[in-house]
Amino acid sequence: DAKTTQPTSMDCAEGRAANLPCNHSTISGNEYVYWYRQIHSQGPQYIIHGLKNNETNEMASLIITEDRKSSTLILPHATLRDTAVYYCIVISAGHTGGTSYGKLTFGQGTILTVHP
Amino acid sequence: DGGITQSPKYLFRKEGQNVTLSCEQNLNHDAMYWYRQDPGQGLRLIYYSQIVNDFQKGDIAEGYSVSREKKESFPLTVTSAQKNPTAFYLCASSSWAGGTEAFFGQGTRLTVV
Repeated sequence: DAKTTQPTSMDCAEGRAANLPCNHSTISGNEYVYWYRQIHSQGPQYIIHGLKNNETNEMASLIITEDRKSSTLILPHATLRDTAVYYCIVISAGHTGGTSYGKLTFGQGTILTVHP
Repeated sequence: DGGITQSPKYLFRKEGQNVTLSCEQNLNHDAMYWYRQDPGQGLRLIYYSQIVNDFQKGDIAEGYSVSREKKESFPLTVTSAQKNPTAFYLCASSSWAGGTEAFFGQGTRLTVV
């Protein structure tokens, strides 16, 4: 399984862009990069995912380097409600009778604190 | 509404008792997962199931057991062999078709006294 490395914590001013890095240098060609966040004592919330190309949705943008060994999650205008633990994960393929599904493994994540 | 439901939200048990945590999904997902989270820590994978009647151990399976008799249900039993069972338990499900995301339940906080 490809492992990910994230900074333990980051700060961001409200209204500014938050850029959260993730290193996944052992990622293989068929593995997706997913980002989730978790607010205290709740289930993780899906943010965005990508394979090769950069992606954008209503919550965030995901920038994946050309060699796919790292990525950056961008929250374009951070708010106080974006304070959470952000997890970058890589989905590895398991096999069951020829059908592949991911073994979903989380690292320690980045504690993002958005301050006024 | 479609979703994934864990029950109960809070659970108390005496030491030495087995306890079963419920996880139900109506999303028609093949894959389901159980995680444990301790205070200030990340999520650790206990067991996962990619299809009905099949499941695999995750990173911390000792002291836990699961079953997957129905597609929509993936109950987790915390046995008396689990040395430190007090934790926050999360269940997730996914189809993973075309790189879709996993959905999480709201968790069960188990306290063993």
